[in-house]
Amino acid sequence: GAVVSQHPSRVICKSGTSVKIECRSLDFQATTMFWYRQFPKKSLMLMATSNEGSKATYEQGVEKDKFLINHASLTLSTLTVTSAHPEDSSFYICSADNRWTRVFRDEQFFGPGTRLTVL
Amino acid sequence: RKEVEQDPGPFNVPEGATVAFNCTYSNSASQSFFWYRQDCRKEPKLLMSVYSSGNEDGRFTAQLNRASQYISLLIRDSKLSDSATYLCVVNLDTGRRALTFGSGTRLQVQP
Repeated sequence: GAVVSQHPSRVICKSGTSVKIECRSLDFQATTMFWYRQFPKKSLMLMATSNEGSKATYEQGVEKDKFLINHASLTLSTLTVTSAHPEDSSFYICSADNRWTRVFRDEQFFGPGTRLTVL
Repeated sequence: RKEVEQDPGPFNVPEGATVAFNCTYSNSASQSFFWYRQDCRKEPKLLMSVYSSGNEDGRFTAQLNRASQYISLLIRDSKLSDSATYLCVVNLDTGRRALTFGSGTRLQVQP
C-alpha cells in the first residue's frame, strides 16, 4: 500500500512552454500533498504544500504564478511549470500523507519523480 | 546555520564496516525525525523513523538526542547495496507537516 505515482517520469521541452506534472496517490487518500524539487547534487527543497480543495501554500522564493498547483481531489495534485526556462530544469518530486493514518504515523510517501529538462 | 545539517560526505568504507552518520537540527520544537535513503536519480525512500527511545531495524540503528538536537544513524556490517545517499529529514514545524531535508551524506561501500 501507500503508492504514489507521478506522470510523466521525464519530459524535455522548449523554453517558453508549459509543463504539467501529475501526482496521484493510488491506494490511499491524501489530504496533503507536497511538491519538492532537487537540483543536481543538492537536497530536496520544498516548493509548496497542497491541500485538497484549497489554495497551495508556497515556500519563500517560489513564484506561485510560475508554479501552478491544483489539488482538486484527495488522490490527485498537479504542478504546472508555466513558461519554463532552462533554469527550471530539475527533478520534481511529490509526496503525500495518508488521510487516515497521519494521526498515528507521521510519514510521507514519495512519488518516483519527474525529470524536467528545458532546452 | 542550516535548518538540518549533516556530515559532509562522501564516506568510502569496505564491506562489513560499521559507519555512523550524524545530523543536527535547528528547531528544538521539532517532533518528527526520519532517515531516508536516496539512490542516484531516484526518489527518497524511508529507511526508518527516529524515536526518542532510539530504534533498531536489523543492521540499522537510529538515535535521537533532543537536548543536543542531534540524530544519528548507525549501519553495521555494511553491504555493497547500502551504497546510496542518506538523508536526515526533520519535520521542523508540525503544524504544516512539511519535511526539511538535510543535504545528504553519500556512502560508498567497496568490495
